[in-house]
Amino acid sequence: ETGVTQSPTHLIKTRGQQVTLRCSSQSGHNTVSWYQQALGQGPQFIFQYYREEENGRGNFPPRFSGLQFPNYSSELNVNALELDDSALYLCASSLNVHRGPYEQYFGPGTRLTVT
Amino acid sequence: RKEVEQDPGPFNVPEGATVAFNCTYSNSASQSFFWYRQDCRKEPKLLMSVYSSGNEDGRFTAQLNRASQYISLLIRDSKLSDSATYLCVVNAASGTYKYIFGTGTRLKVLA
Repeated sequence: ETGVTQSPTHLIKTRGQQVTLRCSSQSGHNTVSWYQQALGQGPQFIFQYYREEENGRGNFPPRFSGLQFPNYSSELNVNALELDDSALYLCASSLNVHRGPYEQYFGPGTRLTVT
Repeated sequence: RKEVEQDPGPFNVPEGATVAFNCTYSNSASQSFFWYRQDCRKEPKLLMSVYSSGNEDGRFTAQLNRASQYISLLIRDSKLSDSATYLCVVNAASGTYKYIFGTGTRLKVLA
C-alpha cells in the first residue's frame, strides 16, 4: 500500500452541483497532484500543490480548484458539474518535486458519476 | 502528434512468453520517464523508473532511446498476474512538475 488515502470512494452527483474530493498524502510527502481518468484513457493532469501553493495546472477550466493544507492533505473542488466530469479522480503524492525526477504514489481514487 | 503515444493493444500472450511495449514521446527536452501498471478499476502503481542506461528489475527491463524518443518495457517469462494495463509516463519538459500519461497498453497473459 502507498499510504495515500482518498475519500469518498464513490460519489454520484447531479449536473450543476458541486463536489469536494479529499486526499491524504503519504507521510513525509509535501506534494499532491490530482488527475482525472476517463474510461479507457490515461490519467490527465489537473494540477499540483507543493507546500500549500499551486505548482502548475493542466488544461482544466477554473471550475476545477484545489487546496493543500499545512499537513499536506489536499482537496479537489469541482463546481457546476457536467456529465463529462464523470471519471476516476486520482491523487498522487510525492516528495521534492524540485530536485529532479520524482516518483508519484497514487491513492485508490474517487469514482465520480454525474447524472 | 500526441505528447505520449502507446499502442493500446490488447497484447494477448501465452504464459512464459516475452513481450515488449514501446512508448513514444514528442518533447525532446523530457527528462523523467516511468512505467506504471494499472489493474482494472484500480489506481496506477509505479512499476519502475527508466534511466538513461536502462534498468532491470527481475523479469522487467526498461530502456530509453533518446535519439528516437521512445521508451520500452520488456517482460520476460510472463505470468498470469502480469495481465494489466501498462502506462508510460513522461514529464512535459525538462525540470517541470507536469507528468503526461499515455493511454496505456493492455496486456493479457493466457494460460
